[in-house]
Amino acid sequence: QSVLTQPPSASGTPGQKVTISCSGSSSNIGTNPVKWYRQLPGTAPKLLIYDNSQRPSGVPDRFSGSKSGASASLAISGLQSEDEADYYCAAWDDSLNGPFFGGGTKLTVL
Amino acid sequence: QVQLVQSGAEVKKPGTSVKVSCKVYGYTFTTYGISWVRQAPGQGLEWMGWISAGNGNTNYAQNFQGRVTMTTDTSANTVYMEVMSLRSDDTAVYYCARDRDSTGYYDFWGQGTLVTVSS
Repeated sequence: QSVLTQPPSASGTPGQKVTISCSGSSSNIGTNPVKWYRQLPGTAPKLLIYDNSQRPSGVPDRFSGSKSGASASLAISGLQSEDEADYYCAAWDDSLNGPFFGGGTKLTVL
Repeated sequence: QVQLVQSGAEVKKPGTSVKVSCKVYGYTFTTYGISWVRQAPGQGLEWMGWISAGNGNTNYAQNFQGRVTMTTDTSANTVYMEVMSLRSDDTAVYYCARDRDSTGYYDFWGQGTLVTVSS
């Protein structure tokens, strides 16, 4: 059972907008910034979003993050076939004294 | 440029230990901490712990306390992670990641090290 809850799967067609949710609690997302990572098959994760909505340099503005209360979401617009990957949210948990990941969402581009 | 290069794959027997290294390039070693994250086959990401490359302070995840040790060698710009008393469910890819603020902000990752535990 993950500390942060994500839907196991999501899908969309090329060009569409897809949103992936991440639900937590007051001890993690409710008080700490959220990060999002993307993992392509057989590779290491890559940082997509930090501080809830900030993009590292090189990450396209098709990717956007938001947070409200103890939930966060990642939106991907203009979906492309190369976006097919696993997406993970992460946040520090004050009660458990560590960073925790969601269970991951497998995005399929139909 | 920033790179984290990990040691190669390992095959270990249950009850033994494994030590994985993570050598960093392209930045001042002592500026940032390093976290270790593992991923069992077909599973998600699991944080194992963090070590400050500046002073060696550590923070281990509850699940790994007493069984994992993280150390640094400043002269070699290298971080080590040792897991003891290996079990079959420790079979996983182990990643090191540069932690910008010690709270899970991982901006660079190693390539991963597969550790297989099998009798």
